[in-house]
Amino acid sequence: DQQVKQNSPSLSVQEGRISILNCDYTNSMFDYFLWYKKYPAEGPTFLISISSIKDKNEDGRFTVFLNKSAKHLSLHIVPSQPGDSAVYFCAANFGNEKLTFGTGTRLTIIP
Amino acid sequence: DVKVTQSSRYLVKRTGEKVFLECVQDMDHENMFWYRQDPGLGLRLIYFSYDVKMKEKGDIPEGYSVSREKKERFSLILESASTNQTSMYLCASSLGDEKLFFGSGTQLSVL
Repeated sequence: DQQVKQNSPSLSVQEGRISILNCDYTNSMFDYFLWYKKYPAEGPTFLISISSIKDKNEDGRFTVFLNKSAKHLSLHIVPSQPGDSAVYFCAANFGNEKLTFGTGTRLTIIP
Repeated sequence: DVKVTQSSRYLVKRTGEKVFLECVQDMDHENMFWYRQDPGLGLRLIYFSYDVKMKEKGDIPEGYSVSREKKERFSLILESASTNQTSMYLCASSLGDEKLFFGSGTQLSVL
């Protein structure tokens, strides 16, 4: 039972353009959402998060949008850079530190 | 910077062997976690610990056990390794919020 889903296993974007990564969830109890980024041979690193009381959170080139009614969140990267090529995982939880992760999307930025 | 160190980068074991995966964190974090990462399945929580000698099952605890005798160390034990336990194993720690700090992972192959 995959409660957090990333339906696009991979995505290719031209350098300088916008990258949009999507994530859907089924558990309406989730109230905190995070994005992690993973390079090969390294562990995931925290990128950005959003609480369910907000619908947008921005940090530099990265913005996360949350649509609670659709149970959908997205990560926007503008402008995309070659160093953004990585696997991105969305994650969610409710009231504790136990995160439920999605399946990941491999983002490739084309120079 | 938080450092989470996993003792082995690559490990090859035989079916039926007892396997120990070690993880050490240097930031006095209360919480520690073991995940496995598999293609198409994302990161799945095996076990976690909120304190020394405390442990709780995650989503896929079958075939695994854990030990936390000291705050900084969290060990994952495969009592009798099987081929379906071939995977990337990721240890993480946190201060008590949702931002996990991950180690670089141990790629375990069970032959």
